[in-house]
Amino acid sequence: GQQLNQSPQSMFIQEGEDVSMNCTSSSIFNTWLWYKQDPGEGPVLLIALYKAGELTSNGRLTAQFGITRKDSFLNISASIPSDVGIYFCAGLRAGNMLTFGGGTRLMVKP
Amino acid sequence: EPEVTQTPSHQVTQMGQEVILRCVPISNHLYFYWYRQILGQKVEFLVSFYNNEISEKSEIFDDQFSVERPDGSNFTLKIRSTKLEDSAMYFCASRVTYNSPLHFGNGTRLTVT
Repeated sequence: GQQLNQSPQSMFIQEGEDVSMNCTSSSIFNTWLWYKQDPGEGPVLLIALYKAGELTSNGRLTAQFGITRKDSFLNISASIPSDVGIYFCAGLRAGNMLTFGGGTRLMVKP
Repeated sequence: EPEVTQTPSHQVTQMGQEVILRCVPISNHLYFYWYRQILGQKVEFLVSFYNNEISEKSEIFDDQFSVERPDGSNFTLKIRSTKLEDSAMYFCASRVTYNSPLHFGNGTRLTVT
């Protein structure tokens, strides 16, 4: 099946630091999505990417759709305590199934 | 902002019992999904539904599972005879078009005892 390898699995950083996480796959995806999940809640969409090479920002978040269509990264600048949570990448190919990465658990030390 | 709503938020059931998880997708969305997340693991696709029929399903979605859109607003997941390993968060999602992002509900936590 399609696999998305997301790294790192967890990060423990100081407030104010920048964060970078990425997803890679052996398969090509047409769409890359980044979600954040807080405890006890569903994934919330952060950024959607539709074209290879696309770089999109949403506030302090920036994500890119890799040129090869097999990878994507998410950067968070100047982290704050409310950034704590689990971040998931997800890829979509032709068809309906969205494949999720394993998640990156972000912990922020004030 | 419109959102996907799921009920109940937590369901406890005995092994072998039937459960129905309910979802109200965003009103103008046409594509509906169920995903599940076992505690501490990643979100896994179960089934997609469009035009009143299943369009894709994973190997997890076996004969004990079924989905239905009984009216113009609800989308349900039925598990016929629950097993202990069905314990998980079940997320409903919907989207407007074939290529637009999925929007998720807050999930139903199913605990099978």
